[in-house]
Amino acid sequence: AQTVTQSQPEMSVQEAETVTLSCTYDTSESNYYLFWYKQPPSRQMILVIRQEAYKQQNATENRFSVNFQKAAKSFSLKISDSQLGDTAMYFCAFMSIISGGFKTIFGAGTRLFVKA
Amino acid sequence: DSGVTQTPKHLITATGQRVTLRCSPRSGDLSVYWYQQSLDQGLQFLIQYYNGEERAKGNILERFSAQQFPDLHSELNLSSLELGDSALYFCASSSRLAGGTDTQYFGPGTRLTVL
Repeated sequence: AQTVTQSQPEMSVQEAETVTLSCTYDTSESNYYLFWYKQPPSRQMILVIRQEAYKQQNATENRFSVNFQKAAKSFSLKISDSQLGDTAMYFCAFMSIISGGFKTIFGAGTRLFVKA
Repeated sequence: DSGVTQTPKHLITATGQRVTLRCSPRSGDLSVYWYQQSLDQGLQFLIQYYNGEERAKGNILERFSAQQFPDLHSELNLSSLELGDSALYFCASSSRLAGGTDTQYFGPGTRLTVL
């Protein structure tokens, strides 16, 4: 069975600095998708960034980028120039294809505090 | 605003009761997913429907059932409710079934409290 592990329950970073959130996963599949979602205090789930496993190039979205190491089954999120609005819970998610549908497994989350 | 709507926003009920949560996907999206977010079990995938058909199943209890209607809205039915069913229930929608990247857009959630 697939598992997703986020080993950092909480992290804090000073505004304008860079922070990296770690995520590892376990799977025997070769084709899958990885995501980072942000959940602010409003509890809305917001997609931050996604990565297809077959792509070697790391995904980037403005201040957010990932370090995808397929062999190591690692998928970390780097937030550059941290802003107060980045304060949220961040979830790493693994999506696999099963029986013609998609199944997503989420990590336990990392709570990020951005300090002024 | 993701374009996914969920009703009601909050629901308070008693143990043993039955409730129905409703989700309307983004315009044009054929896939609907249901998730449960609870304090003790985190975010869990429950079930996926595509164009009215069940396509993937996760950790959904037998007391729970879902369906997707011809107009593509979906309902999650929870019966014989227990205290442990108290959670935030999310619906998400996407345009693809399988193949390629499938990005899910989440609704605001329904907060269920079982007393």
